[in-house]
Amino acid sequence: SQTIHQWPATLVQPVGSPLSLECTVEGTSNPNLYWYRQAAGRGLQLLFYSVGIGQISSEVPQNLSASRPQDRQFILSSKKLLLSDSGFYLCAWSVTGNQPQHFGDGTRLSIL
Amino acid sequence: SQQGEEDPQALSIQEGENATMNCSYKTSINNLQWYRQNSGRGLVHLILIRSNEREKHSGRLRVTLDTSKKSSSLLITASRAADTASYFCARYTGTASKLTFGTGTRLQVTL
Repeated sequence: SQTIHQWPATLVQPVGSPLSLECTVEGTSNPNLYWYRQAAGRGLQLLFYSVGIGQISSEVPQNLSASRPQDRQFILSSKKLLLSDSGFYLCAWSVTGNQPQHFGDGTRLSIL
Repeated sequence: SQQGEEDPQALSIQEGENATMNCSYKTSINNLQWYRQNSGRGLVHLILIRSNEREKHSGRLRVTLDTSKKSSSLLITASRAADTASYFCARYTGTASKLTFGTGTRLQVTL
């Protein structure tokens, strides 16, 4: 069966520090991969998605970036975190764009 | 920006009652999906309904879709305390490999 791993579960970072969140999927090949951010009590904001290795679509211009170095690995990065980057970050995968998405357990990021 | 809204934003009912959540959208869709999110966790897919379907059932869940009104509803029958969660609709429009999520309905089921 397919599984998705996202880590760390919780992260506290100072303003201006770098960020790297990792997401990996097991049990499937060539998945679509997604990064979302969710503010407290709010809906999901799509940040990036990828339909293949090296293919990244950016939805919201910001100081975050994403990379897909391997088929089932999706990384969210920042060179310098801002206070506004705080939130709950969720990674998800799907077989194709119109199919259900399967989510990881998320990373709660707090910026101090 | 988010397309469409969910209504109500919050809903509090007693165990055993039915809960109805609505989702409206603005553009044409290929399919519409409903997800559940327990507090502090990732989303879990519940039901997918295609644009040519009007109703789907899964256990105690019933989803309807009215493409002429650009709206969908999720009905949870005989609710349980364990149904307490946020529920989101998500639209697939077919123009890109992504879903557009609504703002969600927070459901509280009390004993």
